[in-house]
Amino acid sequence: EPEVTQTPSHQVTQMGQEVILRCVPISNHLYFYWYRQILGQKVEFLVSFYNNEISEKSEIFDDQFSVERPDGSNFTLKIRSTKLEDSAMYFCASRDDRGSQPQHFGDGTRLSIL
Amino acid sequence: DQQVKQNSPSLSVQEGRISILNCDYTNSMFDYFLWYKKYPAEGPTFLISISSIKDKNEDGRFTVFLNKSAKHLSLHIVPSQPGDSAVYFCAATGANSKLTFGKGITLSVRP
Repeated sequence: EPEVTQTPSHQVTQMGQEVILRCVPISNHLYFYWYRQILGQKVEFLVSFYNNEISEKSEIFDDQFSVERPDGSNFTLKIRSTKLEDSAMYFCASRDDRGSQPQHFGDGTRLSIL
Repeated sequence: DQQVKQNSPSLSVQEGRISILNCDYTNSMFDYFLWYKKYPAEGPTFLISISSIKDKNEDGRFTVFLNKSAKHLSLHIVPSQPGDSAVYFCAATGANSKLTFGKGITLSVRP
């Protein structure tokens, strides 16, 4: 069964450094998402992406965040200057465009900011 | 912002019995509801969904019930199996947009 893959599984970064989280969505999906889960809290929406542009973003997704689909398969989340509070699990998800369809999630990247 | 609420943090059930997981929502714009299952160190795995035009959807041992007037949905697992032990998230969306998640409930199925 096709799946969403995310790399790396764990990223440790110094505060203030840039980090790029990578995702390969399911190949025939057209909608892409990033969510995060801070330890002990809910899974929170960050951003959605469709047709090569951001379709929706949350208030968390400020100017420090950006997303890109650099080629036909990858979908990346960049955090420009990381803060301690960016430490969380980051999940990528994708879905196809046929009516009401579930989003399918990757296993996440654990981001630890030191 | 508690648009999707799972008020019980945990549930323990004997193997073979029914597990009932509850979820409440407040946003009347939600029109599609999903349940995800999550094991440690893995991402949420889609389990079952229901559109707001239906009141029940069944898939094997899993059934989701939707009560729109009460803004309540529930997931029934019968019979429960030890492999069902995981965290279960209720999620909702409107107009195929972002998912809004509940806090999750930890289900433990005792052998």
